[in-house]
Amino acid sequence: AQSVTQPDIHITVSEGASLELRCNYSYGATPYLFWYVQSPGQGLQLLLKYFSGDTLVQGIKGFEAEFKRSQSSFNLRKPSVHWSDAAEYFCAVGAGSDFGNEKLTFGTGTRLTIIP
Amino acid sequence: DAGVTQSPTHLIKTRGQQVTLRCSPKSGHDTVSWYQQALGQGPQFIFQYYEEEERQRGNFPDRFSGHQFPNYSSELNVNALLLGDSALYLCASSFGTGAYEQYFGPGTRLTVT
Repeated sequence: AQSVTQPDIHITVSEGASLELRCNYSYGATPYLFWYVQSPGQGLQLLLKYFSGDTLVQGIKGFEAEFKRSQSSFNLRKPSVHWSDAAEYFCAVGAGSDFGNEKLTFGTGTRLTIIP
Repeated sequence: DAGVTQSPTHLIKTRGQQVTLRCSPKSGHDTVSWYQQALGQGPQFIFQYYEEEERQRGNFPDRFSGHQFPNYSSELNVNALLLGDSALYLCASSFGTGAYEQYFGPGTRLTVT
């Protein structure tokens, strides 16, 4: 069974500082990995995805993530955060074309607070 | 290009009642997945519909059922509502089978009293 762990429930970062949100996954085969962002009371917006190839992927809003198979990790980074980045961030894993297993499994999320 | 739309936005029901939530997928998408997001939690997979059939189901009781129409829109039905069913219900659409990127709607906030 696939699973995702986001070890940080809440992170506070100063505006302009760098950010790294941690994500560890468990899946027996090659995973499909995603980061989503959720503003209060809203749905989820896809930030970036990893399917294969280059392990450093670029997303929207200046975010990037690096897939490290040896560490089963897919950490999200941003070099300089903006106040508008305050939100809940979810890491998710999917089984790709594994027939009969099309669901996404999400972590419990990391709440990001930005201070001036 | 319209994204995923859901209706209603908010809903208040009483224990034991039944509820129907609706979802229209993003243009060009033919697969709809439903997720339940309890307060402070990540979304939990309920089921997925493709070609008007349920393809996969998460760990939810039979009180949760769904349907997909020929135009790819979908409904989620919950019978015999419990207080614990209070949550944000998210619909996600994608193209084809496989757990590729899914695009989410704004959700329906269900409150059971």
